[in-house]
Amino acid sequence: QQQVKQSPQSLIVQKGGISIINCAYENTAFDYFPWYQQFPGKGPALLIAIRPDVSEKKEGRFTISFNKSAKQFSLHIMDSQPGDSATYFCAASFARRTSYGKLTFGQGTILTVHP
Amino acid sequence: NAGVTQTPKFQVLKTGQSMTLQCAQDMNHNSMYWYRQDPGMGLRLIYYSASEGTTDKGEVPNGYNVSRLNKREFSLRLESAAPSQTSVYFCASSTGTGSYEQYFGPGTRLTVT
Repeated sequence: QQQVKQSPQSLIVQKGGISIINCAYENTAFDYFPWYQQFPGKGPALLIAIRPDVSEKKEGRFTISFNKSAKQFSLHIMDSQPGDSATYFCAASFARRTSYGKLTFGQGTILTVHP
Repeated sequence: NAGVTQTPKFQVLKTGQSMTLQCAQDMNHNSMYWYRQDPGMGLRLIYYSASEGTTDKGEVPNGYNVSRLNKREFSLRLESAAPSQTSVYFCASSTGTGSYEQYFGPGTRLTVT
C-alpha cells in the first residue's frame, strides 16, 4: 500500500529551466511534508519541508506548493542547474511526538539537468 | 562530527548466510531508523527505535531483526539472507521530537546471490 505517490519517475530539464515534481498522499492525518535530495552513492538529505497550514514555502530556488484539498504537494526548482541532478523523494509524516518522526516516502524522481 | 556512519559499505552474501549491518550516530539523537531502497520503490522503513531500549516494526520487517545497543548504535541483522533482500540499506537518526529532520548514513549496498 503506497500512501505517497510520486511522479514522474524521471525528468530531464535544460539548464535554466523549471523542474516540477509532484506527490499525492492518501492519509489526511499527515501533517508534515518534506522533500529529500539524494546524490549518487550518498544518503538522502533534507532539502525543504512544509506544514499544511501554509500553501507555499520557498527557500532559494526551491519551492514547495501544497494543496490540502487535493491532497497534493509539489517541488519546483527554478533556474535548474546541472548540480541539481539527483534523485528527489517526497515524504509525509505525522508531526506529533508519538510518531517518532517516521516518514513514508514516495517512489523517487531521477532529475537530470543538461548543461 | 561524523554524523551517521554505516559499516560495511558493500557486502555480497550467499542465500542462507547471516550478517549484521552496523550503524552509529554521534548527534545524541533519540530515534534511529533502518530503511531499504529499491528502484521504483523509494525508501521503505524496516524497523525503527524511538529511544534507547525500544524497537518497533516498520513497513517491511519480515526477515530482519534489530538491536538498539545503546543511544548511539542501532544494528540490523539478516538471519538467513534471501535474494529478495538485495538492496541498499540506509540508517538514519533524528531527535525524535521537535525537529523531524532525519539524518541519513551513506548506505550499505547488499547483494544476495
